[in-house]
Amino acid sequence: NSKVIQTPRYLVKGQGQKAKMRCIPEKGHPVVFWYQQNKNNEFKFLINFQNQEVLQQIDMTEKRFSAECPSNSPCSLEIQSSEAGDSALYLCASSLGRNTEVFFGKGTRLTVV
Amino acid sequence: AQSVTQPDARVTVSEGASLQLRCKYSYSGTPYLFWYVQYPRQGLQLLLKYYSGDPVVQGVNGFEAEFSKSNSSFHLRKASVHWSDSAVYFCVLSAGSNNRIFFGDGTQLVVKP
Repeated sequence: NSKVIQTPRYLVKGQGQKAKMRCIPEKGHPVVFWYQQNKNNEFKFLINFQNQEVLQQIDMTEKRFSAECPSNSPCSLEIQSSEAGDSALYLCASSLGRNTEVFFGKGTRLTVV
Repeated sequence: AQSVTQPDARVTVSEGASLQLRCKYSYSGTPYLFWYVQYPRQGLQLLLKYYSGDPVVQGVNGFEAEFSKSNSSFHLRKASVHWSDSAVYFCVLSAGSNNRIFFGDGTQLVVKP
């Protein structure tokens, strides 16, 4: 069973508000991913880290989204100014590295009203 | 470029019937493939994984999958489905640099009583 912990499970924000969600990866996993899953079950890669360093992120992330994975603290994903289109399930995942099993959290469901 | 295709958006079967969910991948290197299941309002749970060796891999709850390099496929099977198997199933590819993972669009499985 996955031990990736995401908080909060549900988040409701008004348009323009800041939205922040957190993730505690599996112990010992150096790689952390953030994905956005829309209502059509499509996954959009946002960003991934290895040992606190950003490996890759998409352009969208660079503008309104920010993420970090400090050592000895939860990882976080923050949307500076929420938009209606940001409403989605945000999934955090972790793994030991390339080509290994990826463990997912239960997600944070963001609703922007 | 790497990609995963699940050609069936929705599959409906009767309880007790056999099941096959199709998955095709695109990757020139050695693929690492997974099947995950997602129940409503939940994260993703691993069913099974394939790294190498026997192309037929066994997973949890009676699921198995068969890898075919010649067909670039990794189809999921179950001999007899139960109503509790109703969920969305995702085929996932771990490939390439930067620890990226690639999702299929998912197949909604509906098991009729």
